[in-house]
Amino acid sequence: GNSVTQMEGPVTLSEEAFLTINCTYTATGYPSLFWYVQYPGEGLQLLLKATKADDKGSNKGFEATYRKETTSFHLEKGSVQVSDSAVYFCALNNARGGADGLTFGKGTHLIIQP
Amino acid sequence: ETGVTQTPRHLVMGMTNKKSLKCEQHLGHNAMYWYKQSAKKPLELMFVYSLEERVENNSVPSRFSPECPNSSHLFLHLHTLQPEDSALYLCASSLGPPGQANEKLFFGSGTQLSVL
Repeated sequence: GNSVTQMEGPVTLSEEAFLTINCTYTATGYPSLFWYVQYPGEGLQLLLKATKADDKGSNKGFEATYRKETTSFHLEKGSVQVSDSAVYFCALNNARGGADGLTFGKGTHLIIQP
Repeated sequence: ETGVTQTPRHLVMGMTNKKSLKCEQHLGHNAMYWYKQSAKKPLELMFVYSLEERVENNSVPSRFSPECPNSSHLFLHLHTLQPEDSALYLCASSLGPPGQANEKLFFGSGTQLSVL
């Protein structure tokens, strides 16, 4: 079956630090990969996505590259801000046309201190 | 604002109560979903509706009963819940049918449910 593994949180960083949140996956076929973000008191929002190997998704200074050889989709940002504090979810869709929806990881809570 | 509205935001209920969660989307989407978010666990997909027909039921206990009267509204009826059902219940919608490669979900803010 499909699964997504994320690094455990919380991850605490100082403002302007470099961020990496690791994500690896197990899936059949060729899944699409996503990062969603959940700000306090809100639902999840799509942050970025990649639909095939070596694609790089980017948004709001965040980037993630689809690495098929290592089955990874690590999230990175060069300089984080306090406003980036949120829970980040890695997810996949194996696009088999079924009704599986997205498979999510457990989420990584990111705390950015001034 | 994602265009998906959930009510109530918070709900406290006893194990013998009956309550309903409501979700509404005005995005013109054709698929709607219920997810359960528990601490330190992946989001669990509970139910999927595509064009008002249920297409997925992930072995959810019968004390949870979904209803989709039209493409804009989704309900989750609750009865005789257990304390372990306490969680954040998230509704989501997507434009296309479930399972598409570029499927983007739009989530509501959720209903935080506490079962006493």
